[in-house]
Amino acid sequence: EAQVTQNPRYLITVTGKKLTVTCSQNMNHEYMSWYRQDPGLGLRQIYYSMNVEVTDKGDVPEGYKVSRKEKRNFPLILESPSPNQTSLYFCASSPRNVGTEAFFGQGTRLTVV
Amino acid sequence: AQTVTQSQPEMSVQEAETVTLSCTYDTSESNYYLFWYKQPPSRQMILVIRQEAYKQQNATENRFSVNFQKAAKSFSLKISDSQLGDTAMYFCAFRSNAGNMLTFGGGTRLMVKP
Repeated sequence: EAQVTQNPRYLITVTGKKLTVTCSQNMNHEYMSWYRQDPGLGLRQIYYSMNVEVTDKGDVPEGYKVSRKEKRNFPLILESPSPNQTSLYFCASSPRNVGTEAFFGQGTRLTVV
Repeated sequence: AQTVTQSQPEMSVQEAETVTLSCTYDTSESNYYLFWYKQPPSRQMILVIRQEAYKQQNATENRFSVNFQKAAKSFSLKISDSQLGDTAMYFCAFRSNAGNMLTFGGGTRLMVKP
């Protein structure tokens, strides 16, 4: 089954404790990206990757890191989480054809206390 | 930079009736794609319908159709014969020909009432 898999789905952590949210896709897509969803703001892009070893900042990259060492994986790293990073996070992938829909993971609800 | 605006934070409709969700966007590009995504309580993001800007014909998918007005930069979603399962958050999204970013509106929460 074609899918984007995120883990974990729920995470509660404390301020300053490094964490990683994993994302993996099995569709051989070139594009992968991370979004955060906040009430009234929709989804905002954090980082994106157009291929292996190619990453770039989205609209809200501060406090986040990513890497794309393999085509299928695109982890999101919070080196020192803060309460303002409490949000719902989505990973998405899509093929190079820009008219094709993006496929989303199931979301990760992160709470930083 | 592109912006997408959904001016209706919440809407409700009676089952079997028709409802229209509004979306406007701002861009200087001439070639782009527009999407409506549905997010039910499960949080899954589900593509409802897409429109290519160079196509004048409005996209239709079963009970879902769009009214795409390129000059006005408007992209509304019409849901006919609303069903209880249509209850969800709906997001309008823009993707440029460069393809590296989906820009989303703030969302409209739709409640279908029995």
